[in-house]
Amino acid sequence: GAVVSQHPSRVICKSGTSVKIECRSLDFQATTMFWYRQFPKQSLMLMATSNEGSKATYEQGVEKDKFLINHASLTLSTLTVTSAHPEDSSFYICSARSTGGVGTQYFGPGTRLLVL
Amino acid sequence: AQSVTQLDSQVPVFEEAPVELRCNYSSSVSVYLFWYVQYPNQGLQLLLKYLSGSTLVKGINGFEAEFNKSQTSFHLRKPSVHISDTAEYFCAVSEGNNAGKSTFGDGTTLTVKP
Repeated sequence: GAVVSQHPSRVICKSGTSVKIECRSLDFQATTMFWYRQFPKQSLMLMATSNEGSKATYEQGVEKDKFLINHASLTLSTLTVTSAHPEDSSFYICSARSTGGVGTQYFGPGTRLLVL
Repeated sequence: AQSVTQLDSQVPVFEEAPVELRCNYSSSVSVYLFWYVQYPNQGLQLLLKYLSGSTLVKGINGFEAEFNKSQTSFHLRKPSVHISDTAEYFCAVSEGNNAGKSTFGDGTTLTVKP
């Protein structure tokens, strides 16, 4: 089956620093990747849709300058949380949709970010 | 715009009993429907999906769901649950225009007791 990886799985950083999270599709090409944020005991909130070779589309209320998304290749998208603050602490999950795929998204294992 | 309502936030059930997790959706166009399972501190795993065709969909781990267009529902069922089925379950809908963007329900916590 389709496999999506995320790195790192956990990260702890100081307030004010930037953190980069990678999302890779390991055995398929993904024209579209999605970035979600999940607070404890809550559902997934879509942050942005990332298309290979073009600018990401951000959902309403998500700061594009704070959450930088790059989708440089068909197998890699990165999310950079810039100048992180404690309120950015969360579980970040990416998903990928294969080229020609119909609707199905494959999810990564998630990255737990803790900002001190 | 599309939306998803999971009618039960928590479902406690005894081992080997049947279970149904309810999901209703709304959309102005045709949809794709999904059920995902999430174990603690992990990502989402696809249980099953409805794209087209037969309205009864069978998934992994003995789960199945039935798409009911007239009732705009996609309830998840399992005839006999195990302790290992304890997890968070999410219903999701994606509009059938292949945009791929999904809307998730708030989740249902299934707790299987011995």
